Amino acid sequence: KQEVTQIPAALSVPEGENLVLNCSFTDSAIYNLQWFRQDPGKGLTSLLLIQSSQREQTSGRLNASLDKSSGRSTLYIAASQPGDSATYLCAVSKPGSARQLTFGSGTQLTVLP
Amino acid sequence: SQTIHQWPATLVQPVGSPLSLECTVEGTSNPNLYWYRQAAGRGLQLLFYSVGIGQISSEVPQNLSASRPQDRQFILSSKKLLLSDSGFYLCAWRWGLNTEAFFGQGTRLTVV
Repeated sequence: KQEVTQIPAALSVPEGENLVLNCSFTDSAIYNLQWFRQDPGKGLTSLLLIQSSQREQTSGRLNASLDKSSGRSTLYIAASQPGDSATYLCAVSKPGSARQLTFGSGTQLTVLP
Repeated sequence: SQTIHQWPATLVQPVGSPLSLECTVEGTSNPNLYWYRQAAGRGLQLLFYSVGIGQISSEVPQNLSASRPQDRQFILSSKKLLLSDSGFYLCAWRWGLNTEAFFGQGTRLTVV
């Protein structure tokens, strides 16, 4: 059974700092990994999708990496801003159970002005 | 471009009452559709998914059911709500197993 873990559960940083969010998964046989952002009381916003054959994806100040062999992904946020405050979730899609995404519990990020 | 709509945004229902949550996707055809539930402080749990009209798969036994009467419409229902059905319900779609998933804005259900 695929398990996805995100550590830390919460993170607080001062504005302007570069930061890394971590995601680990137990089964490396995945199709892809997706990072989402969730604001309080809202739905999930897709940030980045990394296919299993890719090592990283970039969008603006965000960079996501994937190391399938070690079961890890990181989301790097450069020059953090208060507007980046949200919960960040990672999810993996794998063969066999690939009808669904398996989610981590998320990292709640607070960027202090 | 594709958009996903979910309604209502919030709902307060008494125990034992019926439930109907609706999700529609625009700008695409034959999407894979999903219903997830997010309990407070917990991760997302897949409830149902559908790969086509009338094709519903359930991931967990529960008090809920789902239907897909049209290609881009996905409905979550219950005949009699329980207190434990309270939570944040999210609809999602994607084209296929290897593609990006997109979520609606969610419905906050409180059963009282």
